[in-house]
Amino acid sequence: QLQLQESGPGLVKASETLSLTCTVSGGSISSGTYYWGWIRQPPGKGLEWIGTIYYSGTTYYNPSLKSRVTISVDTSKNEFSLRLSSVTAADTALYYCATSRGIPGSSLGEDAFHIWGQGTMVPVSS
Amino acid sequence: YGLTQPPSVSVSPGQTASILCSGDNLGDKYVCWYQQKPGQSPLLVISQDTKRPSGIPERFSGSNSGNTATLSISGTQAMDEAEYYCQAWDNSTIVFGTGTKVTVL
Repeated sequence: QLQLQESGPGLVKASETLSLTCTVSGGSISSGTYYWGWIRQPPGKGLEWIGTIYYSGTTYYNPSLKSRVTISVDTSKNEFSLRLSSVTAADTALYYCATSRGIPGSSLGEDAFHIWGQGTMVPVSS
Repeated sequence: YGLTQPPSVSVSPGQTASILCSGDNLGDKYVCWYQQKPGQSPLLVISQDTKRPSGIPERFSGSNSGNTATLSISGTQAMDEAEYYCQAWDNSTIVFGTGTKVTVL
């Protein structure tokens, strides 16, 4: 069965770039069956969608983060990655990778995230 | 655009819990729901307004009309105690609700 695992540095300094990778097992990103997303959750707060990518490299970003976010995919490694630049303390959060069956805003409502990674906490230090 | 949920809902075991998610013309959009227990990743419990993913108990059901989507948990069990989030698409972004803590008393 499909499994996702986030990885990356445990701490990022303010003004620097946060980089995370999500490794997919039990299925192939290049199959084109799913879309691959990043969602974050600040401590004690709710969920925020960051963006989604398709195996072809097509990306969809949250407009509020778009200027600082880059999501990329490496089909040879079966992984996709997140880069968030110019981080501040407000970017401290638990970062999840997840997968959906359709594009964000799917007219069929297939953009629900049906499989999630366990999440990785990224504190931003000042 | 925001999706508003009540901060908390309390329910007695065996009773029905109703969790509301409000947003402008929400009934024109697809809504899904997640359950999140402490220290765990969110779990999809309802997709496309009303569909239960494989493995989700029948006591979970969803509806969506007008400006409000509803997640109902019938015959609520202690294991259903968790935070619940709705999700929809609006203004070119995926939006999550503010979250509702369900307490089974």
